[in-house]
Amino acid sequence: DTAVSQTPKYLVTQMGNDKSIKCEQNLGHDTMYWYKQDSKKFLKIMFSYNNKELIINETVPNRFSPKSPDKAHLNLHINSLELGDSAVYFCASSFWATGYTFGSGTRLTVV
Amino acid sequence: DAKTTQPNSMESNEEEPVHLPCNHSTISGTDYIHWYRQLPSQGPEYVIHGLTSNVNNRMASLAIAEDRKSSTLILHRATLRDAAVYYCILTGANSKLTFGKGITLSVRP
Repeated sequence: DTAVSQTPKYLVTQMGNDKSIKCEQNLGHDTMYWYKQDSKKFLKIMFSYNNKELIINETVPNRFSPKSPDKAHLNLHINSLELGDSAVYFCASSFWATGYTFGSGTRLTVV
Repeated sequence: DAKTTQPNSMESNEEEPVHLPCNHSTISGTDYIHWYRQLPSQGPEYVIHGLTSNVNNRMASLAIAEDRKSSTLILHRATLRDAAVYYCILTGANSKLTFGKGITLSVRP
């Protein structure tokens, strides 16, 4: 069983479109995250949710809207996609004092 | 968040031990030291973490200096599959994981 699963794995779309990336974890963790890894390989946290409540928002454009329907799911919706949004997006979950578990990533390409 | 400093890269030979250093001179008393690694085309993977005492698990060992201003991740026998970017990260009370550049480990057959 995959602990943190993201879909889709690859996403190619045109500028201006709206797209969503889904994430689910079956670890029973309370906290979930979205990270972005750009072409220079820097990993940056975007959002964090704890029990469906937003706790971290790292100055991400409001075109990005996370949604957590329950504590096992954290989806990322992106409006009006721009070329600069092209990156690999990683979902993760964690429990206090233990490690984070990351998904395998969603490679988003905006053309 | 307190910062960490790691060399950019390191090379090792297969089946030999690897010591990956990390400096964190501004660490606070409640900061945990975490190590993650990212293999090519994969998500980051938890390796080990500790607070004050040395830690061992099936993947690696973490040696923490007595003053906690530095630590070393030890891979006891490097394999080709250990080639990755290794990140040393401090987490405070809010447990936010902030990645730096990491150290790229290459393993020679």
